[in-house]
Amino acid sequence: GAVVSQHPSRVICKSGTSVKIECRSLDFQATTMFWYRQFPKQSLMLMATSNEGSKATYEQGVEKDKFLINHASLTLSTLTVTSAHPEDSSFYICSAWTPGTAVNTEAFFGQGTRLTVV
Amino acid sequence: KQEVTQIPAALSVPEGENLVLNCSFTDSAIYNLQWFRQDPGKGLTSLLLIQSSQREQTSGRLNASLDKSSGRSTLYIAASQPGDSATYLCAVDTGGGNKLTFGTGTQLKVEL
Repeated sequence: GAVVSQHPSRVICKSGTSVKIECRSLDFQATTMFWYRQFPKQSLMLMATSNEGSKATYEQGVEKDKFLINHASLTLSTLTVTSAHPEDSSFYICSAWTPGTAVNTEAFFGQGTRLTVV
Repeated sequence: KQEVTQIPAALSVPEGENLVLNCSFTDSAIYNLQWFRQDPGKGLTSLLLIQSSQREQTSGRLNASLDKSSGRSTLYIAASQPGDSATYLCAVDTGGGNKLTFGTGTQLKVEL
């Protein structure tokens, strides 16, 4: 399957600082990348959809000014958590997708980023 | 709004047992359903993808079935092993663009 690389895998930051998380598709071009968040013992919740060359689409309740998403190329999307607070501590994970045949709709995920805000 | 539920939330079985994980979804208009495995603190590993037109998919000891009209899927794991211990997530694609709605997960522990 396709490879999606996410970096960093873990990050600890001070409250009030910003953190950037990268999501790269290594062996295919991803027109769309999705960003999910997972709180402890909960399932993954979609935060936003990132389309190359256009503004991201955010899910209801997700602050676009706090979670800045940039998808400047077909292989890279970044999520920046601005002015991070302890309640932003979570597991963030991206997936990458490109339109294909009907059987080629498998979602490929990065390894995830554990963010801890202290 | 699509809602996905998984039962049971947690399961502990002895090694060698066959087991079934359940997933239900409220909106049957899906493009596909995918089962994932998540190890603690790790990302997701895709296990099986079932297109809306398919009834089941098999990979090794895993078999997933889909009954779209009733909004249900099951993941069957044969001859479970300790290495199968993980959280299993099902997810449905309702919009066709790989935007997934995830279930609540089943945490599986296979004991020696």
